[in-house]
Amino acid sequence: GAGVSQSPSNKVTEKGKDVELRCDPISGHTALYWYRQSLGQGLEFLIYFQGNSAPDKSGLPSDRFSAERTGGSVSTLTIQRTQQEDSAVYLCASSLVAGTTTDTQYFGPGTRLTVL
Amino acid sequence: AQSVTQLDSHVSVSEGTPVLLRCNYSSSYSPSLFWYVQHPNKGLQLLLKYTSAATLVKGINGFEAEFKKSETSFHLTKPSAHMSDAAEYFCVVSDLNTDKLIFGTGTRLQVFP
Repeated sequence: GAGVSQSPSNKVTEKGKDVELRCDPISGHTALYWYRQSLGQGLEFLIYFQGNSAPDKSGLPSDRFSAERTGGSVSTLTIQRTQQEDSAVYLCASSLVAGTTTDTQYFGPGTRLTVL
Repeated sequence: AQSVTQLDSHVSVSEGTPVLLRCNYSSSYSPSLFWYVQHPNKGLQLLLKYTSAATLVKGINGFEAEFKKSETSFHLTKPSAHMSDAAEYFCVVSDLNTDKLIFGTGTRLQVFP
């Protein structure tokens, strides 16, 4: 079956522009996560959605970052007024059920964002 | 708070020799632990996971890891390295309440012919 997909695979933007990154989770997965992988910071959690509950935004680095998940499926991560330090690979993952500490998270291929 | 420490940033082995990638964890409760692998320009792939069942966990591609509570370790091993094993490996612990993953800094494995 289809895995987690992300688009675009690469995005180059100018400092100050807004960008939107898209994630399509595995069908039927109720939990969706965004992570960021950058040089010097490693892999860090950004935000987490579980069903219709309010998202856990505790990992978002600033108020320029936001995310939504429409209809419990597709998610969009938006970065406003991009800065050079936002350059990173943004990874999305989904799992069948969250909160069990046993469910596997399946990762998409990531979106490589470069802010010039 | 949970955390993991990967003790080596780089490991180099010859093809056919054993692989050992070290990971120590810190957790106030029995953790869920994972090893993920990331090949160049590829997504993260789960190698194996520990969820308080058997302490010796077998994963894909001949990898295994042993959970040792007394040593707070979860080292990844493979008896014989293959060239295709060259990649970045991440030791990961799962947050109890949210399942968000907390990643180690990664170990880059090089395999020489």
